[in-house]
Amino acid sequence: QVQLQESGPGLVKPSQTLSLTCTVSGGSISSGGYYWSWIRQHPGKGLEWIGYIYYSGSTYYNPSLKSRVTISVDTSKNQFSLKLSSVTAADTAVYYCARVTDMGYFDYWGQGTLVTVSS
Amino acid sequence: EIVLTQSPATLSLSPGERATLSCRASQSVSSYLAWYQQKPGQAPRLLIYDASNRATGIPARFSGSGSGTDFTLTISSLEPEDFAVYYCQQRSNWPPGYTFGQGTKLEIK
Repeated sequence: QVQLQESGPGLVKPSQTLSLTCTVSGGSISSGGYYWSWIRQHPGKGLEWIGYIYYSGSTYYNPSLKSRVTISVDTSKNQFSLKLSSVTAADTAVYYCARVTDMGYFDYWGQGTLVTVSS
Repeated sequence: EIVLTQSPATLSLSPGERATLSCRASQSVSSYLAWYQQKPGQAPRLLIYDASNRATGIPARFSGSGSGTDFTLTISSLEPEDFAVYYCQQRSNWPPGYTFGQGTKLEIK
């Protein structure tokens, strides 16, 4: 059973960089066949896809966030990470990591982590 | 960018009743559409993929239908644990990406 777990600071100051890591267990990122993604949900709102990475390191980002987002992978640790720069209060959200099937569906999710942007 | 519009925003029903949720795409997505269920404080859970295929472990009372631009999620007889928010989601080949509908809240009447 694949499991994903987000980790990182729950509070980030405005203008700083939000950094989160997703640790995958029960399956190897390096095995291929899946993409690894970040999604966020503003309080009381819907879901917004942020971007994905393949084990090879290829990435694609939501155009609305592309200028501020970097997703990287560390296959030796079976982890992938999110960096979102120049954050504002509008980036306050629950951040989820998820596995994406080759057909484009999110079949496994982390529990989510709330990140608040505030001074 | 393809926009997904879900209706209604809120659906009030009683246990045992049939629920019908709609998702409309701004342009054809073929059958590349999924449905998710989200309960308070939890991550979304994949229910239906490719418009009509149930994900592993999903009860048979959940069914999906549609293609092109109009899709439906049906819950044949509501159980107490089915009251939640439901999202549809599509994937684009080019440019690559994923979008979600705004959600339908299914609440107990």
